[in-house]
Amino acid sequence: GAVVSQHPSWVICKSGTSVKIECRSLDFQATTMFWYRQFPKQSLMLMATSNEGSKATYEQGVEKDKFLINHASLTLSTLTVTSAHPEDSSFYICSAPTTADETQYFGPGTRLLVL
Amino acid sequence: GEDVEQSLFLSVREGDSSVINCTYTDSSSTYLYWYKQEPGAGLQLLTYIFSNMDMKQDQRLTVLLNKKDKHLSLRIADTQTGDSAIYFCAEPIYSGGYQKVTFGTGTKLQVIP
Repeated sequence: GAVVSQHPSWVICKSGTSVKIECRSLDFQATTMFWYRQFPKQSLMLMATSNEGSKATYEQGVEKDKFLINHASLTLSTLTVTSAHPEDSSFYICSAPTTADETQYFGPGTRLLVL
Repeated sequence: GEDVEQSLFLSVREGDSSVINCTYTDSSSTYLYWYKQEPGAGLQLLTYIFSNMDMKQDQRLTVLLNKKDKHLSLRIADTQTGDSAIYFCAEPIYSGGYQKVTFGTGTKLQVIP
């Protein structure tokens, strides 16, 4: 199946700093990627849809100025958590659908801990 | 609404069959997914079923779909300790020209040796 990678796999940062998470589709091009957040013992919640060449679409309740998304190329989307606070600590997962079968392939996730 | 519901927890003995249930909301979904998430890991696509199918079997996995009741189930035969994980059913929701995936609440499967 298709492969999606994320970097870093985990990050610890101080409150007030910004953290950038990368999502790459390794063997296919993705004009659309999705960013999810998962709090402990909870399901995944869609944060935003990343669109190559245009602005991201954010779900209701997600602050676009806090979670900056840049879809720089057909294989890379980045999520920047700006001025991170402890409540932003979570597991962030990206996904990308293949055009062949529209199946969503997920990255391994990035665990963020804000101290 | 976009609620996809699952029972939260299931415990089975090794070697028994596990059945994880899910109810979904969008009757127009083209297909439905089952994902597995091991502790501290990302999601692994286990299987999917097209909405025009009633059943799909893939080795130890059997997916049953009841479109009338919007009910989906995943049966794992001969459950092993390595099957211990959280299982999410998911359905694609088309919105604004994009396919988004809505996840169920997740069922934690515990396999007792």
